[in-house]
Amino acid sequence: AQTVTQSQPEMSVQEAETVTLSCTYDTSESNYYLFWYKQPPSRQMILVIRQEAYKQQNATENRFSVNFQKAAKSFSLKISDSQLGDTAMYFCAFMNRWGAGSYQLTFGKGTKLSVIP
Amino acid sequence: NAGVTQTPKFQVLKTGQSMTLQCAQDMNHNSMYWYRQDPGMGLRLIYYSASEGTTDKGEVPNGYNVSRLNKREFSLRLESAAPSQTSVYFCASSENREVGEQFFGPGTRLTVL
Repeated sequence: AQTVTQSQPEMSVQEAETVTLSCTYDTSESNYYLFWYKQPPSRQMILVIRQEAYKQQNATENRFSVNFQKAAKSFSLKISDSQLGDTAMYFCAFMNRWGAGSYQLTFGKGTKLSVIP
Repeated sequence: NAGVTQTPKFQVLKTGQSMTLQCAQDMNHNSMYWYRQDPGMGLRLIYYSASEGTTDKGEVPNGYNVSRLNKREFSLRLESAAPSQTSVYFCASSENREVGEQFFGPGTRLTVL
């Protein structure tokens, strides 16, 4: 079974600064996908960024980027130029094939990020 | 496009009562999922449906049943609610592609007294 560990229950960052959220995972599979989801107080789950394990290049989406270290099974999220709207819970998730045609997401417990004005 | 919709948004039940959570998606996705989220936890998969007419257990299926009514709708039923089922429930859908993103509904907050 896959496990996803987020070792930072809470973090804070000053507006406009950079913050990095950590995530490690455990799997015996070689082909999989990793995601960061954001959950603001509205409760809506929003995809922030995804990474395919077979790609060596780190994914980037505007102010969000990842540092994917496959050998170390590490997948951290860097948020640059933090904004007040980035305040949310952030979940790291691992996706693998589950049964015929579906893909299961396994989530970490989340990191609560607060952006301070 | 409404995406993934869930009803109701909030519900309070007494122990032993039954209810059905409804989920619908308008993205023509094949796969649909039900998750629960407890305080301090990530989402955990209850049941999923890879296609119309098929359902399978996820990580925490006990106490729940599901029905994939058609391609659009996937319902979650609690036959005899227990306080341990107090949680926020999320429905999600995705295409059956390897990098298919799962799109989530807004969630239902359920309290069982």
